[in-house]
Amino acid sequence: QKEVEQDPGPLSVPEGAIVSLNCTYSNSAFQYFMWYRQYSRKGPELLMYTYSSGNKEDGRFTAQVDKSSKYISLFIRDSQPSDSATYLCAMSETAGNKLTFGGGTRVLVKP
Amino acid sequence: DVKVTQSSRYLVKRTGEKVFLECVQDMDHENMFWYRQDPGLGLRLIYFSYDVKMKEKGDIPEGYSVSREKKERFSLILESASTNQTSMYLCASRWGQGPYEQYFGPGTRLTVT
Repeated sequence: QKEVEQDPGPLSVPEGAIVSLNCTYSNSAFQYFMWYRQYSRKGPELLMYTYSSGNKEDGRFTAQVDKSSKYISLFIRDSQPSDSATYLCAMSETAGNKLTFGGGTRVLVKP
Repeated sequence: DVKVTQSSRYLVKRTGEKVFLECVQDMDHENMFWYRQDPGLGLRLIYFSYDVKMKEKGDIPEGYSVSREKKERFSLILESASTNQTSMYLCASRWGQGPYEQYFGPGTRLTVT
């Protein structure tokens, strides 16, 4: 069993819809949680970062962490075709520690 | 803007060849990382370096080595390339030891035939 599980998709939604992405993990020591976005033929770039449990909002993006369920989510409101990308979750035990990545979910937002 | 560059976007090598992948960052970051990315497996850490001439094994170091002679440059070496090393290779850098963002290069797609 992988340490971090993520549905590979693809997840296809119409423009303007809410995109809901999630990851489950097995290591209860994870405390730092991140979402990276990766466009085709590019390296990943950091979208959101949260520490421990709770919610964080940044514009159209909301990240949620539920440590009791070992479950994290990313919501994209009012999705745009430019949101079409692969979204990777990543997590670590301590601040300077190595990241463990999920496999990524491919998202397609259709105009 | 932080810039991480990788020497090649696409590379085709033969089995048994020695392969060098180069990564350069321009933001004076202490930490540098090499990952490989395979469909469904996400990014897996091969090696990382937290200082010049220092290196640490990641999750899948077998068949790879690294070199960091200068702060801005981190090289990944495949001593004898094999077909199971066909993959996308991503380099990243990060400042300091806190929960700071890793900045990624565009990747090198390596095919070993």
